[in-house]
Amino acid sequence: QVQLVQSGAAVKKPGASVRVSCKASGYTFTTFFFHWVRQAPGQGLEWMGLIDPSGGSATYAQKFQDRLTMTRDTSTSTLYMDLSSLISEDTAIYYCARVATSASVDKDFDYWGQGTLVTVSS
Amino acid sequence: DIQMTQSPSSLSAFVGDRVAITCRASQTINRNLNWYQQRPGKAPKLLIITHSGLRSGVPSRFSGSGSGTDFTLTINSLQPEDLATYYCQQSYSLPPTFGQGTKVEI
Repeated sequence: QVQLVQSGAAVKKPGASVRVSCKASGYTFTTFFFHWVRQAPGQGLEWMGLIDPSGGSATYAQKFQDRLTMTRDTSTSTLYMDLSSLISEDTAIYYCARVATSASVDKDFDYWGQGTLVTVSS
Repeated sequence: DIQMTQSPSSLSAFVGDRVAITCRASQTINRNLNWYQQRPGKAPKLLIITHSGLRSGVPSRFSGSGSGTDFTLTINSLQPEDLATYYCQQSYSLPPTFGQGTKVEI
């Protein structure tokens, strides 16, 4: 069955960078797009960007254009989300989510990782 | 960006009640609207893709309707395990955007 397992919680200082990983299993990794979504404490869901794991091309929300990078390693079926220049408002749970339809820029988030809490604090 | 507005922001109901949550888009999105359930401390779960129906394994007491700008999630015969926050999300265009959520208390 499809599983997405994310890296553990991280605590970072303002100005630092964080990397969150998401390891996929149970299907052919390169056939479904992925998105990253975050959720600040007690708040709603915010879309960050998407990546095509086949070619590696990514599209980012305008808000994160300057400090977000999404990559993937097809040899290990793992996605990476790097966010730099962290501020306290980046404190959130970060989720990877796989789409429902293969080979398309789908926006139906069918499978989710368990989430990774990133805390930004001095 | 397309703005999604849900109502109510919270509701309280009894086991067995029928509840409805509405979602309005700031522009037409045809039937490109998804509903998610997020139980406390858990990741969201896709319940309904409006144009294609209930996801596999989701109880039939959940249903979604609407098109254009106005959509409704209905839970028939509310169950204790339905305690959660429900989000709508438009899949019509990038960036995908979510409603602010509706917290359902039993």
